[in-house]
Amino acid sequence: ELQLVQSGAEVQKPGESLKISCKASGYSFTTKWISWVRQMPGKGLEWMGRIDPDDSRSNYSPSFEGHVTFSVDKSIDTAFLQWSSLKASDTAIYYCARLGNFYDMDVWGQGTTVAVSS
Amino acid sequence: QSALTQPASVSGSLGQSVTFSCTGSIIDVGGYDSVSWYQQRPGKAPKLLIYAVSKRPSGISDRFSGSKSGNTASLTISGLQAEDEADYYCSSYRGTSTLVVFGGVTRLTVL
Repeated sequence: ELQLVQSGAEVQKPGESLKISCKASGYSFTTKWISWVRQMPGKGLEWMGRIDPDDSRSNYSPSFEGHVTFSVDKSIDTAFLQWSSLKASDTAIYYCARLGNFYDMDVWGQGTTVAVSS
Repeated sequence: QSALTQPASVSGSLGQSVTFSCTGSIIDVGGYDSVSWYQQRPGKAPKLLIYAVSKRPSGISDRFSGSKSGNTASLTISGLQAEDEADYYCSSYRGTSTLVVFGGVTRLTVL
């Protein structure tokens, strides 16, 4: 079955680091880019950027450049989203999604809730 | 403020048709045939309904259809069902470093 399975909910303090994961199955992981999408509480979807699992090339939306880092581990078909220093404003649900040829997102993970509070 | 403009809410009666609009500019909706539409039910991940303006992924009902005219894309749902009540988002490729932009949410109420 084609799916993306994300890691569980996280509760962190401001300034802490965090890495969440997105494991792909049911297709060849290195053939499609992975996107990350943020949804803040009660708000809409925001595209954060994408990573090519084959060579780790990444494109970041200007709103997120410098604040998050994408990475992959091809040996375990897993993409990662990480922060080195969380802020309260990072509180949101984060989705990974497979990026299609028309920049559509055809397979989505179930979402990882990140709560940042002192 | 979202990059693409969608109405905040749309309503329709069971069995009727409704149309959602998504307005951008020449650097996104108007310049490329890479508009997608997503449905998101409460507490769930978004689900792809339409890609490449008017194509439906496998398994998506033909009650959902997409189109585009100039800088505005549209999603039409025909034969409204209670289960269609959800939030709907459009997205588009954008020819800048942003690459992909979403619209603000349109909440569909089925009367």
